[in-house]
Amino acid sequence: GNSVTQMEGPVTLSEEAFLTINCTYTATGYPSLFWYVQYPGEGLQLLLKATKADDKGSNKGFEATYRKETTSFHLEKGSVQVSDSAVYFCALNGAGGSYIPTFGRGTSLIVHP
Amino acid sequence: EADIYQTPRYLVIGTGKKITLECSQTMGHDKMYWYQQDPGMELHLIHYSYGVNSTEKGDLSSESTVSRIRTEHFPLTLESARPSHTSQYLCASSQPTTGTDTQYFGPGTRLTVL
Repeated sequence: GNSVTQMEGPVTLSEEAFLTINCTYTATGYPSLFWYVQYPGEGLQLLLKATKADDKGSNKGFEATYRKETTSFHLEKGSVQVSDSAVYFCALNGAGGSYIPTFGRGTSLIVHP
Repeated sequence: EADIYQTPRYLVIGTGKKITLECSQTMGHDKMYWYQQDPGMELHLIHYSYGVNSTEKGDLSSESTVSRIRTEHFPLTLESARPSHTSQYLCASSQPTTGTDTQYFGPGTRLTVL
């Protein structure tokens, strides 16, 4: 079946540090890949997505590139802010004709001033 | 802007009570979902619906039930709440288009069963 593996947290960084959160997946066919973010006390919201190999999704300074050869979709940001503190979820959908999404376990990011 | 609502936001009840968690969306989305989110933040799909009169069980076995009588409304019911049901419940919706099935989430209901 489909699966998403992302690095365990918490990831703790100082403000303006570089961020990478690793995400790899196992899926049949050509899924779409997503990063969602969950701020404290809220539901998840879409951060960025990519629908085919080599696509780069970007939003709010975050970016991730769909790498089919390594089955990865790592999230990066060049300079994090305290306001980026949240839980980040990698997800896939549309694998093998299934449109039931598969989520990773989430990675908590804590950014200190 | 996504418009999906959940009520109540917080609920504390005693064991054995029947409860219904409400979820509504105004986007006309066909697909709707219920997730249970554990303290470690992992999401578990408990129910989903492809449209009116369609309901399916998800990956996580749940004692809850759902109904989908109207497109915009997808309530979740627990007939007899137990402490093991204490959790955060998230509702979501999406409009299926090939390869870009983005999910829109409500703010969640935090349920505590004493």
